[in-house]
Amino acid sequence: AQSVTQLDSQVPVFEEAPVELRCNYSSSVSVYLFWYVQYPNQGLQLLLKYLSGSTLVKGINGFEAEFNKSQTSFHLRKPSVHISDTAEYFCAVSGGSQGNLIFGKGTKLSVKP
Amino acid sequence: DAGITQSPRYKITETGRQVTLMCHQTWSHSYMFWYRQDLGHGLRLIYYSAAADITDKGEVPDGYVVSRSKTENFPLTLESATRSQTSVYFCASSEWGNGYTFGSGTRLTVV
Repeated sequence: AQSVTQLDSQVPVFEEAPVELRCNYSSSVSVYLFWYVQYPNQGLQLLLKYLSGSTLVKGINGFEAEFNKSQTSFHLRKPSVHISDTAEYFCAVSGGSQGNLIFGKGTKLSVKP
Repeated sequence: DAGITQSPRYKITETGRQVTLMCHQTWSHSYMFWYRQDLGHGLRLIYYSAAADITDKGEVPDGYVVSRSKTENFPLTLESATRSQTSVYFCASSEWGNGYTFGSGTRLTVV
């Protein structure tokens, strides 16, 4: 069965600092990988996705992620965060027989001035 | 407008009542999903549908019923609401695995 582990439930950082949100997955089949962002009291917005091809994926708002098959990881990075990046971030994987997304439990990014 | 819409956005209901959450998509995506979001659990799959008239259980289906008579609609019914079903519910649609779009969510409170 597929699963997703987000290694940090909360990540506090200062504005303009770099950040990495970690995500590991387990799957016995080829997968598609996603990062979603959820701002307070809002729905989920797609940040980026890996389907195939280049392992470095660039998304919206200056975020990027790198697919590492050998380490089964898909960490999200941003070189310089803003206050407005404060949100909860979800890593997700698809590729199972149901066609659904399996989510990690989320990482709350808190950017402080 | 194209997209995926959920209604209502907010709902308060009493224990034991039946309540239906609506989901409508305009892309004719084959797949549709219902998730619930709870603190500490992330998003968990309740039910999914691969096509009209094809539905199946997800991780947490107990107490819920779905139907999909038309491709664009995927209502979720709580047959007899319980307080443990207080949650935020998200509907999503996809065309097999590589792109998912989520609705804005329904915040349901069972009192």
